[in-house]
Amino acid sequence: EAGVAQSPRYKIIEKRQSVAFWCNPISGHATLYWYQQILGQGPKLLIQFQNNGVVDDSQLPKDRFSAERLKGVDSTLKIQPAKLEDSAVYLCASSYREGASYEQYFGPGTRLTVT
Amino acid sequence: GNSVTQMEGPVTLSEEAFLTINCTYTATGYPSLFWYVQYPGEGLQLLLKATKADDKGSNKGFEATYRKETTSFHLEKGSVQVSDSAVYFCALSDSGNTGKLIFGQGTTLQVKP
Repeated sequence: EAGVAQSPRYKIIEKRQSVAFWCNPISGHATLYWYQQILGQGPKLLIQFQNNGVVDDSQLPKDRFSAERLKGVDSTLKIQPAKLEDSAVYLCASSYREGASYEQYFGPGTRLTVT
Repeated sequence: GNSVTQMEGPVTLSEEAFLTINCTYTATGYPSLFWYVQYPGEGLQLLLKATKADDKGSNKGFEATYRKETTSFHLEKGSVQVSDSAVYFCALSDSGNTGKLIFGQGTTLQVKP
């Protein structure tokens, strides 16, 4: 079974530029999560989708971050414009359904460096 | 709000030593508790979990017991191997049962031969 795919794996941009990350979840998984992991910290949820609807985006900085999951499969996370403090690893995870009973499977992450 | 606190790392042990990584939490309701592991160059993987008080999660020789009275979920292993070197994250599920995870800051374990 293929795991969660993410691209690109690494990205370096200058502040005020824009960037987009892509995630393809495990086939059949209805729930998709985007987490931000700053160096030395644990992952923090940015947004959660159930199919193509948003369940929780309370921690998403909506003035600069946006995410979509059209058709309820793959998802894109965008930052525009980027700030230095956005340097982090962006992790995508998926689970069969929402709820603590369903294991989340994580992708390898995209490491973003903003200079 | 809900939060997780882990012991500071790095933790450096010799092979076959006993491992304890402390984890305490603050939460409303009755969250599920998890340990995730991140091996070098790989993504996060679920190591074990416990869904209610006094449950013991176990996997690959690792164990953790959900202690509601001390709000703790300490990770233990009787004899570590070099291959256990990784970053370990304690996490809890948000009480809304959406599946949202709240993570601790992670503890790096280094096992030397």
